Amino acid sequence: AQSVSQHNHHVILSEAASLELGCNYSYGGTVNLFWYVQYPGQHLQLLLKYFSGDPLVKGIKGFEAEFIKSKFSFNLRKPSVQWSDTAEYFCAAKNSWGKLQFGAGTQVVVTP
Amino acid sequence: NAGVTQTPKFQVLKTGQSMTLQCAQDMNHNSMYWYRQDPGMGLRLIYYSASEGTTDKGEVPNGYNVSRLNKREFSLRLESAAPSQTSVYFCASSTKEGAGNQPQHFGDGTRLSIL
Repeated sequence: AQSVSQHNHHVILSEAASLELGCNYSYGGTVNLFWYVQYPGQHLQLLLKYFSGDPLVKGIKGFEAEFIKSKFSFNLRKPSVQWSDTAEYFCAAKNSWGKLQFGAGTQVVVTP
Repeated sequence: NAGVTQTPKFQVLKTGQSMTLQCAQDMNHNSMYWYRQDPGMGLRLIYYSASEGTTDKGEVPNGYNVSRLNKREFSLRLESAAPSQTSVYFCASSTKEGAGNQPQHFGDGTRLSIL
């Protein structure tokens, strides 16, 4: 069955620390990958997306993600986090024909 | 630029009551979706509408009905609310279902509590 797995449910780190959130998917064939962010009390916003081409994707707010096909992974990274990056982060995937499927989410708390 | 608008933002119901959640988008999107968000489970698709006039079940449709009133509006109805339906409900839209590279745009959510 198709699924999206996020490795960490909660991450706590200090400002200026580096962030990496893991995401693995189990889809065959062509897959489209997304990272969404949900700030406290707000709706989901698209951070970045991968469809094809350069496997290193840059998104908004200094985030990037790397698609590694051999590992079925699409990990999200940010070199230096800020307090304002406190949010819940969702990885999502879909085939060209399927429905968007979300991971369980990772709650990130950045402490001053 | 409103995007996806959901009403109400908060609602408390008693078990057995009925309720309709409203959603409208002004981006001329063809496809619309209803999700529920529960702690530790991410977002799960309840129903979707690939285009005006069509609706289909998602992952967790039981206890819900939907209506695609027109291209802009997609409502979600709970006929007889149950405590298990306590959740945050998100409406989303996208240009075209089936087009894998089209991201979905989300509303602000409706926080629903069933007592």
